[in-house]
Amino acid sequence: DQQVKQNSPSLSVQEGRISILNCDYTNSMFDYFLWYKKYPAEGPTFLISISSIKDKNEDGRFTVFLNKSAKHLSLHIVPSQPGDSAVYFCAAENQGGKLIFGQGTELSVKP
Amino acid sequence: ETGVTQSPTHLIKTRGQQVTLRCSSQSGHNTVSWYQQALGQGPQFIFQYYREEENGRGNFPPRFSGLQFPNYSSELNVNALELDDSALYLCASSMRGQGSDEQYFGPGTRLTVT
Repeated sequence: DQQVKQNSPSLSVQEGRISILNCDYTNSMFDYFLWYKKYPAEGPTFLISISSIKDKNEDGRFTVFLNKSAKHLSLHIVPSQPGDSAVYFCAAENQGGKLIFGQGTELSVKP
Repeated sequence: ETGVTQSPTHLIKTRGQQVTLRCSSQSGHNTVSWYQQALGQGPQFIFQYYREEENGRGNFPPRFSGLQFPNYSSELNVNALELDDSALYLCASSMRGQGSDEQYFGPGTRLTVT
């Protein structure tokens, strides 16, 4: 069963515009969520996280929103840059620090 | 500060063979987690080692086994390889008990089973 889902395999946006990546989860016990970014031939790198006690966390151009009632989170990138082109994974942290990942969304930012 | 390293980078094995993948954790980290990433999918948790003991396991059969050494480096062993074991294997290290459990990933080992 897929406890964390990213339903959009790909997303293409124009440089300077907003990128919105979405993620849904099924387990209401999850209380910590992370976004990772992955370039080809590299491991995932941590981008931003959010605890369930918050509904928003912001770090520079990146903002993550959490809607607990809908079991939905989203990552906003404003403004998008060509260097942001990568695969983005949403993950929930289970007890003990085990990460449950979504399938990923490949973001392409066009100049 | 040395990051997480994995070896080998690529590996080709035949069905039924055994394979050992290696991971050196980031300096100062005491926890290593292994993930399998199949093509087009997100990483799936295999197991985690903390201070040389297995500390949680995902939905993988017993032919997936691991070790963690006193220097906190780790091995992933897979016996009786199957075609579906072809994937990118990622290890991630973290420091439990120091507030942040942020996991740092290595570049992965690409395993192809023919």
